[in-house]
Amino acid sequence: EAQLVESGGDLVQPGGSLRLSCEASGFTFKMYAMHWVRQAPGKGLEWLSYISTTTTNIYYGDAVKGRFTVSRDNAKDSLYLQMDRLRAEDTAVYYCVRGWGITMDIWGRGTMVTVSS
Amino acid sequence: DIRMTQSPSSLSASVGDRVTITCQASQDFGSYVNWYQHKAGKAPKLLIYDASNLGTGVSSRFSGRRSRTDFTFSITNLQPEDVATYYCQQYDDPPYVFGQGTKLEIK
Repeated sequence: EAQLVESGGDLVQPGGSLRLSCEASGFTFKMYAMHWVRQAPGKGLEWLSYISTTTTNIYYGDAVKGRFTVSRDNAKDSLYLQMDRLRAEDTAVYYCVRGWGITMDIWGRGTMVTVSS
Repeated sequence: DIRMTQSPSSLSASVGDRVTITCQASQDFGSYVNWYQHKAGKAPKLLIYDASNLGTGVSSRFSGRRSRTDFTFSITNLQPEDVATYYCQQYDDPPYVFGQGTKLEIK
């Protein structure tokens, strides 16, 4: 069964950095593009980033462009999100999502990031 | 950037009813729209892809259709387990934005 498990969520101060990880299992990770999506408390889903299988294509949402960096290690079946210059409005549950083409078909359970002093 | 305007923001219906949610795209880009179900405390689930195709293992009570820039999602024979928030999403061109979401409740 395909599975994604996020980790790395924590409480961090404004202006700080955090690195999220997502470990994939049950499918051939290197054959799938991946996304990051978040949901702030009381808000809807917000798409953040896409990375293709070989990292040729990488895209970001406007809210995180220039502050967040997505990467992947196909040898480790892992996806990452480096988050810098964090703001209070980045407080959210962060989901790692498998891309079937572009369509997001398998979602992790999410990891909570809280940005607060 | 493409914008997706989803309505209504909330919906209350009775068991057995048919409900419909709409997303209007800011431009015509074909059928690159998916619909997701998000239950509280759980991971979102893909229900419909390419505007009208049923996801793997998804109940046939769910359906989607497209009319130019208008995308509709319907649930027939509404069941208590359908309580969730539903989102449309375009994936024609990044950023792959979601609609604002529709919170569905049972009367």
